Amino acid sequence: DAGVTQSPTHLIKTRGQQVTLRCSPKSGHDTVSWYQQALGQGPQFIFQYYEEEERQRGNFPDRFSGHQFPNYSSELNVNALLLGDSALYLCASLTDSYNEQFFGPGTRLTVL
Amino acid sequence: GEDVEQSLFLSVREGDSSVINCTYTDSSSTYLYWYKQEPGAGLQLLTYIFSNMDMKQDQRLTVLLNKKDKHLSLRIADTQTGDSAIYFCAESNAGNNRKLIWGLGTSLAVNP
Repeated sequence: DAGVTQSPTHLIKTRGQQVTLRCSPKSGHDTVSWYQQALGQGPQFIFQYYEEEERQRGNFPDRFSGHQFPNYSSELNVNALLLGDSALYLCASLTDSYNEQFFGPGTRLTVL
Repeated sequence: GEDVEQSLFLSVREGDSSVINCTYTDSSSTYLYWYKQEPGAGLQLLTYIFSNMDMKQDQRLTVLLNKKDKHLSLRIADTQTGDSAIYFCAESNAGNNRKLIWGLGTSLAVNP
């Protein structure tokens, strides 16, 4: 079991560009949550995907959107990037049958 | 509202016990988690506790929960230099699709 995987590891973009981040959940997990972690802060919940639908959303603008595929993997898209979007983006894998929530290594996004 | 607070720094000597404290406000919290984050890395799940428990022990880790005071602690016995990291407390509840609410993290420094 590869655990939770995320790609890419690092990404550098300029303001106004768009970015897509990817996450594959742990085997047996059907739910993916995305978090943004700014430097020196705790993670902030962006949204959660279950059964290919956005099940819950945090306090993030519509520039942040996502998708979940039939194999439970997920994408996070951010449009019109701002400098303040620079952060570590973390994906959590979970399922209702178990209490643990496991995280991937994250994608470090730098917006210049 | 939902809030989680932690002290920001803790310094201990190698071999001593470390105690990291956390308080939360959501009285409907169901699960309380401790995660470890090393520099530049993702979040490693250390342990979690149900809100109907008051203690959980897992090798060198002991979690204590005082539900009345909404206070959670993580004790690391025989702290080693490899335990130096940021420790995050997080809470969630089943009614909120287990969205995690995080503290700012406690930076643990272990001195030889």
